[in-house]
Amino acid sequence: AQSVSQHNHHVILSEAASLELGCNYSYGGTVNLFWYVQYPGQHLQLLLKYFSGDPLVKGIKGFEAEFIKSKFSFNLRKPSVQWSDTAEYFCAVIGTYKYIFGTGTRLKVLA
Amino acid sequence: DAGVIQSPRHEVTEMGQEVTLRCKPISGHNSLFWYRQTMMRGLELLIYFNNNVPIDDSGMPEDRFSAKMPNASFSTLKIQPSEPRDSAVYFCASSASEDNEQYFGPGTRLTVT
Repeated sequence: AQSVSQHNHHVILSEAASLELGCNYSYGGTVNLFWYVQYPGQHLQLLLKYFSGDPLVKGIKGFEAEFIKSKFSFNLRKPSVQWSDTAEYFCAVIGTYKYIFGTGTRLKVLA
Repeated sequence: DAGVIQSPRHEVTEMGQEVTLRCKPISGHNSLFWYRQTMMRGLELLIYFNNNVPIDDSGMPEDRFSAKMPNASFSTLKIQPSEPRDSAVYFCASSASEDNEQYFGPGTRLTVT
């Protein structure tokens, strides 16, 4: 069965620190991959997506993610976080028309 | 486009009452998704429609929950009778196709007392 794992449930960083959030999925076929962000009190918004092509994907607000097929991973990165990046981040995978969200990672950035 | 529209934004009701949540997807989108979000269980997919047809309702918790999509521009999620454990934020999302990015509505915060 398809599944998505986000290993870090809570992350606390200081401003300017680098960020990497892990996302691993289990599915042997072709997948589309997404990262969504949910700011406090708001709805989910798309950060970036990968369908095919260059495995390094750049999204909004300086975020990027790398698809490593051999590791079934799609980790999210940002070189220098800001206080305004405090939010919950969700990885999502779709394969055979089954859309699966990870459990989310709550990021708190200290000013 | 106004984005995905949900109503009401907040609903407080008593246990046993019927609750109806409404969603208007983005015009032209073929897929519509209903999610429930709680602190304990995170984001759960309840049901999704493609071209107004329910494709996967395996996430619907029990028979008290039902969802309809009578046309391409409107969907409802009904809970009858409601219970306190149904308290959550319910999100509707739409997408141009089943495998594409989803656009989420603002959510309905449901409180059942």
